[in-house]
Amino acid sequence: IAGITQAPTSQILAAGRRMTLRCTQDMRHNAMYWYRQDLGLGLRLIHYSNTAGTTGKGEVPDGYSVSRANTDDFPLTLASAVPSQTSVYFCASSAIGEGSNEQFFGPGTRLTVL
Amino acid sequence: GQNIDQPTEMTATEGAIVQINCTYQTSGFNGLFWYQQHAGEAPTFLSYNVLDGLEEKGRFSSFLSRSKGYSYLLLKELQMKDSASYLCAVRDSNYQLIWGAGTKLIIKP
Repeated sequence: IAGITQAPTSQILAAGRRMTLRCTQDMRHNAMYWYRQDLGLGLRLIHYSNTAGTTGKGEVPDGYSVSRANTDDFPLTLASAVPSQTSVYFCASSAIGEGSNEQFFGPGTRLTVL
Repeated sequence: GQNIDQPTEMTATEGAIVQINCTYQTSGFNGLFWYQQHAGEAPTFLSYNVLDGLEEKGRFSSFLSRSKGYSYLLLKELQMKDSASYLCAVRDSNYQLIWGAGTKLIIKP
C-alpha cells in the first residue's frame, strides 16, 4: 500500500441499506477525515479523528458514523442510506503538529443511493 | 458563518498566466491551502501559506494577505494538463479545513 486507499471505488445502493466505506492509510498519520463532495459545493467534513480511539463530528455528520480502532483504518458507515447521501466520498489523512500538515486524499468512493 | 469565495470557472490560453483569487471569512486562521483536482480524481496538495507574502514553487505561486482575507494562486506558462479545478481551503481555529467550491480552469490551445 502506498498512501491512502479506499474501497469500494463505486457502489449503487438501495435506500434503507447499510453500507460501510473503507479507508486505510500507511503513512502513520494521526489524523483522518471523511468528506463528501457534491457538485457546486466545497468538500464538506463528515467526521474526523485526531488519533486512534477518538472521533469528532464535522459539518454534516447526520446519518453517518465512524470508528478509529487503530491508526491505519477509518471506516465510514451509513446505517440506513437515503438518496441525499448520493455523493463522492473522500477519505484523507494528515500529520499533526508544526508545519503545514497538508491532507492527503484517497481516490474516493462514488456512492449512488436509489 | 464561515465562507470561502472563489470564481466558479475561468478560461485561459496555453502558455499564458492566470490568477485564481480566493477570499475568506473564517473563525480563526491557521493557514491557507491550495489543492488541484483533475476531473474524477482526488485533490492533491499544491501550496500552503500561513504568513503574508508570496510562496513560489516552480510554475505555481501562492499569495496571502491575512488582513484582507485574500489569497491568489498564480499559474505561469500554462499547459493543457493544468486544466483542473483549483480548491482554496482555510484551516480555522479548530484546525479543520473550510473549503471553497473550487475554480474550474479551462485551458485552450
